[in-house]
Amino acid sequence: EIVMTQSPATLSVSPGERATLSCRASQGVSSNLAWYHQKPGQAPRLLIYGASTRATGVPARFTGSGSGTEFTLTISSLQSEDFGLYYCQQYNNWQTFGQGTKVEI
Amino acid sequence: QLQESGPGLVKPSETLSLTCSVSGDSITSSRYSWGWVRQAPGKGLEWIGSVYSGRPYATPSLRSRIAMSVDTSNNQFSLKLKSVTAADTAVYYCARSGGLADWYFDLWGRGALVSVSS
Repeated sequence: EIVMTQSPATLSVSPGERATLSCRASQGVSSNLAWYHQKPGQAPRLLIYGASTRATGVPARFTGSGSGTEFTLTISSLQSEDFGLYYCQQYNNWQTFGQGTKVEI
Repeated sequence: QLQESGPGLVKPSETLSLTCSVSGDSITSSRYSWGWVRQAPGKGLEWIGSVYSGRPYATPSLRSRIAMSVDTSNNQFSLKLKSVTAADTAVYYCARSGGLADWYFDLWGRGALVSVSS
């Protein structure tokens, strides 16, 4: 099983600041990597797939990058609605999720 | 849209059964896979399994306890998880993904909380 490790576990950011979230795969997953955002009591929402392609309706402030084993999600200017949990998911070999990064405003 | 339905409480050793009703898409479309993801209280996301073109694919750790099926007449798909324990208590989401090369989930149900307790 491919293990996905996210860092940091918690990120405290002020509105308007830049946030950088990391995701590492235990083995290469090519660009088969997605990012999700989950608010309390809600289902996850797809942000990024293919490591860098924004899903429909996702604001341009969200940018995904990386390939192989190292991936990054950057939120260029954090808005209040961006708080919550962020998960990465590899879908190169079955599917596994990271343990999540909590973004606190 | 996707909507989960099923009992909210299941006794230990019994079988958890959930159904996901799909609207706005045909469940027989070759463009999509239909899957289940769960989230234990305060924990992260865990892929359970998906069905593509009628064929089930399940995570290895749960494969021996899972049965998934598709009901084309009602545009629904279902999950059965047998021999449940307290560790199976979670919010269960049904979700849509692409074909076998695109297993990211772009549409999710609201989730159904299932508790395992006597």
